Amino acid sequence: DVKVTQSSRYLVKRTGEKVFLECVQDMDHENMFWYRQDPGLGLRLIYFSYDVKMKEKGDIPEGYSVSREKKERFSLILESASTNQTSMYLCASSLGTPVEQYFGPGTRLTVT
Amino acid sequence: AQTVTQSQPEMSVQEAETVTLSCTYDTSESDYYLFWYKQPPSRQMILVIRQEAYKQQNATENRFSVNFQKAAKSFSLKISDSQLGDAAMYFCAYRSLNNNDMRFGAGTRLTVKP
Repeated sequence: DVKVTQSSRYLVKRTGEKVFLECVQDMDHENMFWYRQDPGLGLRLIYFSYDVKMKEKGDIPEGYSVSREKKERFSLILESASTNQTSMYLCASSLGTPVEQYFGPGTRLTVT
Repeated sequence: AQTVTQSQPEMSVQEAETVTLSCTYDTSESDYYLFWYKQPPSRQMILVIRQEAYKQQNATENRFSVNFQKAAKSFSLKISDSQLGDAAMYFCAYRSLNNNDMRFGAGTRLTVKP
């Protein structure tokens, strides 16, 4: 089975802090994704990566950056956390397009 | 850009009964994939069922089946013999063949009553 893990289930940070969310997949998948999930809005794509050191912006990249130094790891970075970034963050991976994506358990981030 | 609409924010069903969750989408593409994902209260999103647009036959997976109406751009999920474990948030998703773009609906929260 594909396993996608995220570094934290719950995270509380202060406004202005730099925040790192880590995601690791163990199935040698090429593609990795970061979404945020908000009630009534579904999942919105922040960034995705189709290879090591490659990245593309999704629908809502503002305020976020990503890093993919190794194939199995994809990090989401909030350079200066703000309260409107309080949300559920989901990481996903897939072998290729247009195969289905496999999701991690999510990180509930609260910015106070 | 493609959009996915789930018009039912919440649904409920009696245990052992059948329920249908609605999904419509907007696209100009002729080939694509559609998915239903389930997110239980523990939050791990899992794939329920997948439909390729070029296939006319509706996908089925045990108690889960879809009614795919390509012309109407409709992709509903039917859950038969509902079980308490089916209680979850269900997301409909559209995936283009041409890129990594996957679009999700807002979700439908399904409650199963014993």
